[in-house]
Amino acid sequence: GDSVTQMEGPVTLSEEACLTINCTYTATGYPSLFWYVQYPGEGLQLLLKATKADDKGSNKGFEATYRKETTSFHLEKGSVQVSDSAVYFCALTANSGYSTLTFGKGTMLLVSP
Amino acid sequence: DSGVTQTPKHLITATGQRVTLRCSPRSGDLSVYWYQQSLDQGLQFLIQYYNGEERAKGNILERFSAQQFPDLHSELNLSSLELGDSALYFCASSLRLGGNEQFFGPGTRLTVL
Repeated sequence: GDSVTQMEGPVTLSEEACLTINCTYTATGYPSLFWYVQYPGEGLQLLLKATKADDKGSNKGFEATYRKETTSFHLEKGSVQVSDSAVYFCALTANSGYSTLTFGKGTMLLVSP
Repeated sequence: DSGVTQTPKHLITATGQRVTLRCSPRSGDLSVYWYQQSLDQGLQFLIQYYNGEERAKGNILERFSAQQFPDLHSELNLSSLELGDSALYFCASSLRLGGNEQFFGPGTRLTVL
């Protein structure tokens, strides 16, 4: 079945540091890929998405590129802020007509001033 | 605010009991999804409804059931509760059946004592 693997956290960074959270996937066909963010005590929010190979999703300074050859969708940000502290989930949906999400286990990011 | 509402926010109950979690999707969304988030299993898809009909099932126990009503709100019923059912239960909604962004509610935290 489909699966998503993300790097384990927590990832601890100082403000203005560069961020990379690795995500790889296993899926049949051509899935759509997502990054969701969960702030403390809140539900999940869509951060960015990519629906086909070589697409780059971007939002709020975060970027991720859909790499079919390496089955990866790594999340990057050039300069993190304290307000970016949250749990980040990589996820996919199979393009089969049903958009149920398969999530990775999540990576906690802690940014200190 | 995603526009998806869930009640109650917190629920504390005893083993063997039955509870009902309620979800109201965003206005106009026809598809509702239920997810369970626990420390050991991560985020798992449980079940999906579209316009009142069950459309996809994930790792949902037989003790759990759900339905979507004509006004499109959904309820998740959990019975014969066990300690291991303690988790965050999220509802999400999307406009159509497949290939869409899902908007998540704030979740219901269930504690089984």
